[in-house]
Amino acid sequence: DVKVTQSSRYLVKRTGEKVFLECVQDMDHENMFWYRQDPGLGLRLIYFSYDVKMKEKGDIPEGYSVSREKKERFSLILESASTNQTSMYLCASRDRGGREQFFGPGTRLTVL
Amino acid sequence: QKEVEQNSGPLSVPEGAIASLNCTYSDRGSQSFFWYRQYSGKSPELIMFIYSNGDKEDGRFTAQLNKASQYVSLLIRDSQPSDSATYLCAVNAPGGFKTIFGAGTRLFVKA
Repeated sequence: DVKVTQSSRYLVKRTGEKVFLECVQDMDHENMFWYRQDPGLGLRLIYFSYDVKMKEKGDIPEGYSVSREKKERFSLILESASTNQTSMYLCASRDRGGREQFFGPGTRLTVL
Repeated sequence: QKEVEQNSGPLSVPEGAIASLNCTYSDRGSQSFFWYRQYSGKSPELIMFIYSNGDKEDGRFTAQLNKASQYVSLLIRDSQPSDSATYLCAVNAPGGFKTIFGAGTRLFVKA
């Protein structure tokens, strides 16, 4: 059974803190994605990675960075959290030839 | 103009009826089209994909694609209360790496 896991379901941080969100997949997928989901705006792509150490900006990369040192792990970093980064963060993975994305359970981040 | 547009709903249908969900997209070069279902508090899961013009059926679900009109739809026959969820339309951008999601349509199926 395919599985994408995220390090936390709920997270509360203070403005200015550095925040790490971790995502791990056990399907040997090449492609991994980070989205944020906000009411009325749907899923918006923050960053994606098509291979180890490779990363591409999505539609809303400002204020975020990513790291992919190993194939199975893709980390999202908020360098200095701000209140407008309060959101649901979803990680997904997809194999190189596939089209379906498999999503993790999500991390609901609140920045106070 | 949003790249993938859906009516946010809510769409309410009685149990046993046909639910019709619609989606339009802006990039004519798009090749792959998807419908994801998202229950409240859960993450999206793929229920249908379609690549060619016409209809594709899978059980109670039918996806319809009209590339000339840049239009994708999802029909759910014999709707059940368990179909109540948000349905996300998604389109792969040309090149295939990025997937653009619509904001979703909330569906309520009344028992």
